[in-house]
Amino acid sequence: QITLKESGPTLVKPTQTLTLTCTFSGFSLSTSGVGVGWIRQPPGKALEWLALIYWDDDKRYSPSLQSRLTITKDTSKNQVVLTMTNMDPVDTATYFCAQKLVIPATFAYWGQGALVTVSS
Amino acid sequence: QSVLTQPPSVSAAPGQKVTISCSGSSSNIGNNYVSWYQQLPGTAPKVLIHVNNKRPSGIPDRFSGSKSGTSATLGITGLQTGDEADYYCGTWDSSLSAEVFGGGTKLTVI
Repeated sequence: QITLKESGPTLVKPTQTLTLTCTFSGFSLSTSGVGVGWIRQPPGKALEWLALIYWDDDKRYSPSLQSRLTITKDTSKNQVVLTMTNMDPVDTATYFCAQKLVIPATFAYWGQGALVTVSS
Repeated sequence: QSVLTQPPSVSAAPGQKVTISCSGSSSNIGNNYVSWYQQLPGTAPKVLIHVNNKRPSGIPDRFSGSKSGTSATLGITGLQTGDEADYYCGTWDSSLSAEVFGGGTKLTVI
């Protein structure tokens, strides 16, 4: 059974750095063709992809947010960490992590999401 | 502004059929696989369709997907009240080097 779960602060202040951890089970991020991504969703709005990391440590970032994002993995702990710098109230959203499979090129399993509010 | 364009809302009666369109370009839908996701209220998205028209294990055959050129379509037959949700298309954009999603379509079963 594949599960993913996001963890991190629920409230951050403007200009602070957000660190979110995705802890997963049921698969290994050292398996060829497997990746983990982060997607966010502001309240009442659409999904927005943020970043991806693959089994071979290939990393991809949203072009519009690339300068603020860093994604890393700890294969031994089955965790993926996303950091986002210089947080702003517009970054208030539910942050999801999801397993990405190269084949069939889809986000196959999703975590429940973690709501992060940016406010002073 | 989403890279992929979906209608904001669709509606149909129980038992009827509905289609949801997703329009893109040659850099995304035209040359990459499309997935469709269902997001029930207050929950995480779930994949309904991948590789344009394939259903993952456990997804009923009431859900179908198709792709033609730079557009994709999700079809749902035998509508149930439990199908009320937001539906998103998604794919890779080779020019942006980014995953892209549509703006989402809210399905109402009335």
